[in-house]
Amino acid sequence: NAGVTQTPKFQVLKTGQSMTLQCAQDMNHNSMYWYRQDPGMGLRLIYYSASEGTTDKGEVPNGYNVSRLNKREFSLRLESAAPSQTSVYFCASRTSGAYEQYFGPGTRLTVT
Amino acid sequence: RKEVEQDPGPFNVPEGATVAFNCTYSNSASQSFFWYRQDCRKEPKLLMSVYSSGNEDGRFTAQLNRASQYISLLIRDSKLSDSATYLCVVTPTGNQFYFGTGTSLTVIP
Repeated sequence: NAGVTQTPKFQVLKTGQSMTLQCAQDMNHNSMYWYRQDPGMGLRLIYYSASEGTTDKGEVPNGYNVSRLNKREFSLRLESAAPSQTSVYFCASRTSGAYEQYFGPGTRLTVT
Repeated sequence: RKEVEQDPGPFNVPEGATVAFNCTYSNSASQSFFWYRQDCRKEPKLLMSVYSSGNEDGRFTAQLNRASQYISLLIRDSKLSDSATYLCVVTPTGNQFYFGTGTSLTVIP
C-alpha cells in the first residue's frame, strides 16, 4: 500500500519554464490537496479537490493550475515558473467523513 | 491576520521533561482542530485530533479552549524521539485546512 506518492522528488527549473507535479493516492480518498511549505510560513493551501471533477482555490492559487484527472490523481502545473515558487510542495488526501490528511513525501522545487 | 498562530520556539528540553505548546486561531467558526508532527525534511503526519472535552493519548494531551480560541498540546516525560516540529491545524469548513508555522522541539539527552 503506497499511500500518497509524488513525482518528482526534486526539480530545478529556470524562470519561465513550465512543469507539472504529479500526485496519486491508492486509498480511494475523495478529497485531495496541494500545499506549499516555506520557511516561517507553514503549509499554505494552493488548490484542493473535494471530489473527482471539482477543484477550488486555496490561500495561494496564483501562478498555479490543477487537474483532478480521476479519483486517484491530482496534478499541479506551473505554467511559467518564478523564483517565488521555490518551495517544498506537498500533496495530501483524505476520505469523506474523516479529517485526517495523508501526505505524500513532497517535491523540493528550486526556480533559478 | 493569520488564521493560525504558533510560537515557533525552538523548545529545547531535557529527557523526561514536560513541555507545552499553544496555538491560537482567528476564526471563531472553526470546527475541527488537530496537531500534526513533522520530522525534518519529511511530510506531516497526524499526531492527534483535539476535542472540546480534551483528549489524551499516552504521554500526549490536547486541549481546546473555544472561548479564548486556542488549543494546546502537552507532552509528558519527553523522549528523544519526540524531537520534531509540531503543527497546529484548524479547519472552519472541513474542506480548507489552515496550518500554523510549527513549533520546533528538541529533546536533549
